Amino acid sequence: DQQVKQNSPSLSVQEGRISILNCDYTNSMFDYFLWYKKYPAEGPTFLISISSIKDKNEDGRFTVFLNKSAKHLSLHIVPSQPGDSAVYFCAARGGATNKLIFGTGTLLAVQP
Amino acid sequence: GAVVSQHPSRVICKSGTSVKIECRSLDFQATTMFWYRQFPKQSLMLMATSNEGSKATYEQGVEKDKFLINHASLTLSTLTVTSAHPEDSSFYICSASGQGRSYNEQFFGPGTRLTVL
Repeated sequence: DQQVKQNSPSLSVQEGRISILNCDYTNSMFDYFLWYKKYPAEGPTFLISISSIKDKNEDGRFTVFLNKSAKHLSLHIVPSQPGDSAVYFCAARGGATNKLIFGTGTLLAVQP
Repeated sequence: GAVVSQHPSRVICKSGTSVKIECRSLDFQATTMFWYRQFPKQSLMLMATSNEGSKATYEQGVEKDKFLINHASLTLSTLTVTSAHPEDSSFYICSASGQGRSYNEQFFGPGTRLTVL
């Protein structure tokens, strides 16, 4: 049972344009959401997070939006840069524990 | 962000042998460490959660006698894959969270590629 889903396995965007990565979840008990960036053969790097009491969090070129009623979050990267090309994972934290449930990842390719 | 290291980065072993992977938090005290495995083109799957000084909590379907986890200090956790078989070949990643760091964040190591022949 995949509680966190990223339905787009890949996304291609032109440099300078906006990248929008989507994530859906099923467990209404999740109270914290995170986005990680991952290069091949490396561990994930934390990008940005959002608490369930908020609907938006912005950090530089990265903005995360949370729609609790739809159980949906998205990561916006603007402007996109070639160095942003990587696999992006969304993750959700469930309730009392600190463990994370990861989505399946979206491979972002930013074309120069 | 915090620095978490893993050693070795890559290991190849024969079937039936045991392999130990170390995970260290270099600049903070990790009260909790997590071990994940990732198969090619798949997500990170949590294997177990370990708190310093106590037994690890394993996720459903993960054999605790096969994947031995020790978290003896606030900076070191080890994962030992016992009697490894080819199906254990995977990318193993640890993460850490703890004192002085946001409870909500986990900082990941660079991963260990295990290949069992």
